Amino acid sequence: DTAVSQTPKYLVTQMGNDKSIKCEQNLGHDTMYWYKQDSKKFLKIMFSYNNKELIINETVPNRFSPKSPDKAHLNLHINSLELGDSAVYFCASSPVPGQSSGANVLTFGAGSRLTVL
Amino acid sequence: TQLLEQSPQFLSIQEGENLTVYCNSSSVFSSLQWYRQEPGEGPVLLVTVVTGGEVKKLKRLTFQFGDARKDSSLHITAAQPGDTGLYLCAGAFQAAGNKLTFGGGTRVLVKP
Repeated sequence: DTAVSQTPKYLVTQMGNDKSIKCEQNLGHDTMYWYKQDSKKFLKIMFSYNNKELIINETVPNRFSPKSPDKAHLNLHINSLELGDSAVYFCASSPVPGQSSGANVLTFGAGSRLTVL
Repeated sequence: TQLLEQSPQFLSIQEGENLTVYCNSSSVFSSLQWYRQEPGEGPVLLVTVVTGGEVKKLKRLTFQFGDARKDSSLHITAAQPGDTGLYLCAGAFQAAGNKLTFGGGTRVLVKP
């Protein structure tokens, strides 16, 4: 049983298109995240939701819109895709903040590789 | 903005050799985590360290947290090809609400 699953695993699309990536976790965690990993493998947080409420919104273009219909799901919709959006997008989840050693232990999905042509 | 620097960026060694990866910051961590990421997969947690001077062992992996909680190291003894991967440190800083910040990663290649 996959703990954090995201779909699709691969996505190839043209510039200007709109696409979505879906994420679901069955760990019972309250907090979910989207991270972007660039070609140099640098992992940067984009958004964080705690029990369906947005709590972290890093400097991300407003073409990116996360949606959390319930605490087990966090989807990412991207409008007007640009070449620079090509990356691997990781969904992650963690228990409620503060439960463990003052920081969240993250469980990651396998990633969604987005290629914009 | 808290920055984590990892070194080296890339390490290639022969099976059986030892290696050490470093993670440094100018700020004090409230806690620090090490993750390993294999190609096509997400990072997987290896360990969390919280107390300055703490040492944790996971089979052939030894993790140290600096006394001042500004640095950490990961030492692998007698590396195996299965240790190949991207090693990421991630620090939580109290000033940033304990949000995790990731280092740039160290790519380790262990050749048979």
